[in-house]
Amino acid sequence: GQQVMQIPQYQHVQEGEDFTTYCNSSTTLSNIQWYKQRPGGHPVFLIQLVKSGEVKKQKRLTFQFGEAKKNSSLHITATQTTDVGTYFCAGRNSGYALNFGKGTSLLVTP
Amino acid sequence: DSGVTQTPKHLITATGQRVTLRCSPRSGDLSVYWYQQSLDQGLQFLIQYYNGEERAKGNILERFSAQQFPDLHSELNLSSLELGDSALYFCASRQGTTNTGELFFGEGSRLTVL
Repeated sequence: GQQVMQIPQYQHVQEGEDFTTYCNSSTTLSNIQWYKQRPGGHPVFLIQLVKSGEVKKQKRLTFQFGEAKKNSSLHITATQTTDVGTYFCAGRNSGYALNFGKGTSLLVTP
Repeated sequence: DSGVTQTPKHLITATGQRVTLRCSPRSGDLSVYWYQQSLDQGLQFLIQYYNGEERAKGNILERFSAQQFPDLHSELNLSSLELGDSALYFCASRQGTTNTGELFFGEGSRLTVL
């Protein structure tokens, strides 16, 4: 079945440093979504990418979808303590199941 | 507040027992998804329902079952519980009929099996 892999599993940065998490799928995806889960909270939707090579920005966050639609990345510029949490990618192929990666836990120290 | 309600928030039970987790989706949302989150496994997709019908099945154990009722709420039944079933169970809902669009997650039901 479809698997979505995410790296790194953990990342510890100093406030102001950049952060990137990568997501790779074993199969071509129809779309990919990104979610953020704060400690003790539930996943909250950030964005959806649909087109090959698509790039979207949300303030300091930049999301990319690979040309082959099998990989994606999330880059945060100049991290802040409010960025702390676990970032998940979730991919969907032609079916209805939305499969999440294991997530990247980001810790930001001031 | 996502609009998705899950009960109970916490549940402690013993091995071999059976529990039912309940989910009320956002008003108007026809799709309900169930996920299991344990420490090392991230969010594992269990099952999805759309308007009362099963749409997709993930890594759901045979000891687990789910259904979606005519009023669109859903229940996840976990039986013959084992220690390894201890986890946070999330329900999420989505409105549309296509396989796209964001999921809105509830706050989860934390199950502890002793």
